[in-house]
Amino acid sequence: ELKVEQNPLFLSMQEGKNYTIYCNYSTTSDRLYWYRQDPGKSLESLFVLLSNGAVKQEGRLMASLDTKARLSTLHITAAVHDLSATYFCAVDDMRFGAGTRLTVKP
Amino acid sequence: DTGVSQDPRHKITKRGQNVTFRCDPISEHNRLYWYRQTLGQGPEFLTYFQNEAQLEKSRLLSDRFSAERPKGSFSTLEIQRTEQGDSAMYLCASSPTGGVGGYTFGSGTRLTVV
Repeated sequence: ELKVEQNPLFLSMQEGKNYTIYCNYSTTSDRLYWYRQDPGKSLESLFVLLSNGAVKQEGRLMASLDTKARLSTLHITAAVHDLSATYFCAVDDMRFGAGTRLTVKP
Repeated sequence: DTGVSQDPRHKITKRGQNVTFRCDPISEHNRLYWYRQTLGQGPEFLTYFQNEAQLEKSRLLSDRFSAERPKGSFSTLEIQRTEQGDSAMYLCASSPTGGVGGYTFGSGTRLTVV
């Protein structure tokens, strides 16, 4: 059975700092999705990674995929308060991790 | 077409009653997924359709849950004999076949069973 693990589950960081969220999965997959969810809201698509070595960047967020290691990372650069949300990764046929709840403090 | 639409947004029902939710995907999207999400958890896969065919159903789903997509367009999710543990947000997502462009989620239906 496919397992998707994210860590950390909770992340509190200062504005201006950098950090990385990790997404490990248990079976072979050639695509990975990152989503953002604000409290009480639905999920917003951030990135779609379709091949080994794929890297995508949008603003202060950059996502990468290593299919051999079964690992994706979401790197946050110079965090700002507006990035506070829960971030989910999902693999292949849309199986989700538990999410990383990010809080960015002034 | 403004995105994935779910109806109703909120539903309060008494334990033991049946409820039905509707999802209207983006019109050209072949794939449609249903998820359940409880507070603090990730979306839990329930089932998905490719056009009108239900291709997979979570084994976690009891036989009280059923979903249809009769003409490959909108979909319904029915829960029979609701229990308090069914209280959750029910999310629908759609995509063109293969999901290459990512999935678009609806706003969800929040179910409260009292």
